[in-house]
Amino acid sequence: EDQVTQSPEALRLQEGESSSLNCSYTVSGLRGLFWYRQDPGKGPEFLFTLYSAGEEKEKERLKATLTKKESFLHITAPKPEDSATYLCAVRSGNTGKLIFGQGTTLQVKP
Amino acid sequence: DVKVTQSSRYLVKRTGEKVFLECVQDMDHENMFWYRQDPGLGLRLIYFSYDVKMKEKGDIPEGYSVSREKKERFSLILESASTNQTSMYLCASSLQNSPLHFGNGTRLTVT
Repeated sequence: EDQVTQSPEALRLQEGESSSLNCSYTVSGLRGLFWYRQDPGKGPEFLFTLYSAGEEKEKERLKATLTKKESFLHITAPKPEDSATYLCAVRSGNTGKLIFGQGTTLQVKP
Repeated sequence: DVKVTQSSRYLVKRTGEKVFLECVQDMDHENMFWYRQDPGLGLRLIYFSYDVKMKEKGDIPEGYSVSREKKERFSLILESASTNQTSMYLCASSLQNSPLHFGNGTRLTVT
């Protein structure tokens, strides 16, 4: 069964304290892994797509990496404005469906 | 930039009312989706559409229907609203196999 698990559920960091969010997946034939950022009361905002193991993408303080079983979203020297819920989703090669994880809620304190 | 616009940010309806949620995208995307998002349950797919006048059931279609008469517009219909349909509703669009782009959501309360 296709499944996506994100950990931790919640993460509190001090400003400048780097950390990583995890997205573990089991899927039949990965056709893309997607990271989104969601602010309270808003829709998810697309961040990155990764397609194959070893691929990396960067945007400002965020870096996403992919292996055959999991993806990490690394946050370097975070700022309070990075506080949000980060969602991971994978597209199944069998069904074409997008399966979302439950998200990690990040709080960065000044 | 892709823009997905949902007609209402907040909506309050009474049990039994027929409710229409409207979504418009401006990027000529063929795929459009309706999700609902609830605490602890994450994002769940209600319906999706790969083309005009075409619709497919998602994971939780019961109590909902959809309409896609034009490529840019995808409507979600609650035939007879119930309190368990109180939720955040998110519309999204995409090209084939590309990332989904979401609207800002409609928070629906059914009393």
